[in-house]
Amino acid sequence: KAGVTQTPRYLIKTRGQQVTLSCSPISGHRSVSWYQQTPGQGLQFLFEYFSETQRNKGNFPGRFSGRQFSNSRSEMNVSTLELGDSALYLCASSLGPGPNEQFFGPGTRLTVL
Amino acid sequence: QQQVKQSPQSLIVQKGGIPIINCAYENTAFDYFPWYQQFPGKGPALLIAIRPDVSEKKEGRFTISFNKSAKQFSLHIMDSQPGDSATYFCAASIDNNNDMRFGAGTRLTVKP
Repeated sequence: KAGVTQTPRYLIKTRGQQVTLSCSPISGHRSVSWYQQTPGQGLQFLFEYFSETQRNKGNFPGRFSGRQFSNSRSEMNVSTLELGDSALYLCASSLGPGPNEQFFGPGTRLTVL
Repeated sequence: QQQVKQSPQSLIVQKGGIPIINCAYENTAFDYFPWYQQFPGKGPALLIAIRPDVSEKKEGRFTISFNKSAKQFSLHIMDSQPGDSATYFCAASIDNNNDMRFGAGTRLTVKP
């Protein structure tokens, strides 16, 4: 069974630009969560999608958004990029909202210059 | 946002030693406590998880001890190997909710 895939793996953008990251969950998984990982703040929850609906949202500004498609694939978008958005963005999939066993992808490394 | 405190930040043990990583949480509504292992360039991988109705859970060389009254839980790695060298994260969430709160991570080095 293929794992969680994320594209692209690496991305370099400049301040003010916007970026879209993609995540394909494990086949059969309907819940997708996104996390931001930085050396200073660690792993922080961004949002979760289940059945194309956002279920939970972390404490991030509105520049961070996401969506989920009918095939459970998910995208997240960051607009008006700031230097502080440089991070590893991780996607995790699970069967549903519980029992919370999440499987992480390798992440997308975003660098904002 | 961090509601889970993890210690130590880094840990060095000899092969065969038993590293212990500790976590403490604040929110008594948390009822799912997983541990993740992360190698450089990879996403976190679930190692073992526990719910508060048990005090200990063992899977292979990995054991979680859970103290509900103290709001603490810990990971023990028996007979540690150099291949266990990685960063370990504890986490907590409320059931039916994938909003996982992670500890800051512990970088473990197992020397041969």
